[in-house]
Amino acid sequence: DAMVIQNPRYQVTQFGKPVTLSCSQTLNHNVMYWYQQKSSQAPKLLFHYYDKDFNNEADTPDNFQSRRPNTSFCFLDIRSPGLGDAAMYLCATSRDKGAGNEQFFGPGTRLTVL
Amino acid sequence: GEDVEQSLFLSVREGDSSVINCTYTDSSSTYLYWYKQEPGAGLQLLTYIFSNMDMKQDQRLTVLLNKKDKHLSLRIADTQTGDSAIYFCAETFNNAGNMLTFGGGTRLMVKP
Repeated sequence: DAMVIQNPRYQVTQFGKPVTLSCSQTLNHNVMYWYQQKSSQAPKLLFHYYDKDFNNEADTPDNFQSRRPNTSFCFLDIRSPGLGDAAMYLCATSRDKGAGNEQFFGPGTRLTVL
Repeated sequence: GEDVEQSLFLSVREGDSSVINCTYTDSSSTYLYWYKQEPGAGLQLLTYIFSNMDMKQDQRLTVLLNKKDKHLSLRIADTQTGDSAIYFCAETFNNAGNMLTFGGGTRLMVKP
């Protein structure tokens, strides 16, 4: 089945130790998104790629970076995780960015920072 | 900017109907969505409505949109224990393509 896959589902890292979260898709969608969702809160968009074009949200901390080496894969890099970065990280994809293009979400990676 | 609000919590008995409400401030919405999130999982799109519609029904789900009052609701008929989850409304707006603005989520608890 075509889908959005996130690995790992659970990630534990130490304060200040760089960590990378992975997302892959078999939908061949042009757009890939990364959201941060803290406990009992709505998902918050960090950034998205439209093909190779990177779009950062204005309030996304510099500590968060992303790479998209090809259509299928997108990575979220947290350079120096702090305790406040513990959250669920959701990846999503859509065929395009126009109104009505549904976003398909992966199962998420729950990040714990010790 | 856009503001989307939901009540935090709803508790119903199995077999009853559930109504989850959402209000928004920006009248330039294009599409309005309802997502379901089970514990530890991603977001599952349940249904959506285009902003020029008043109602959409899909099996046990009924979406009502009152554009005058900027109010969106999701009714789940014959609620089951498997419907227990967090429900997010989300919207897209003119000039923002498919970028989603989420409400804070409503936790639905279904008691047997």
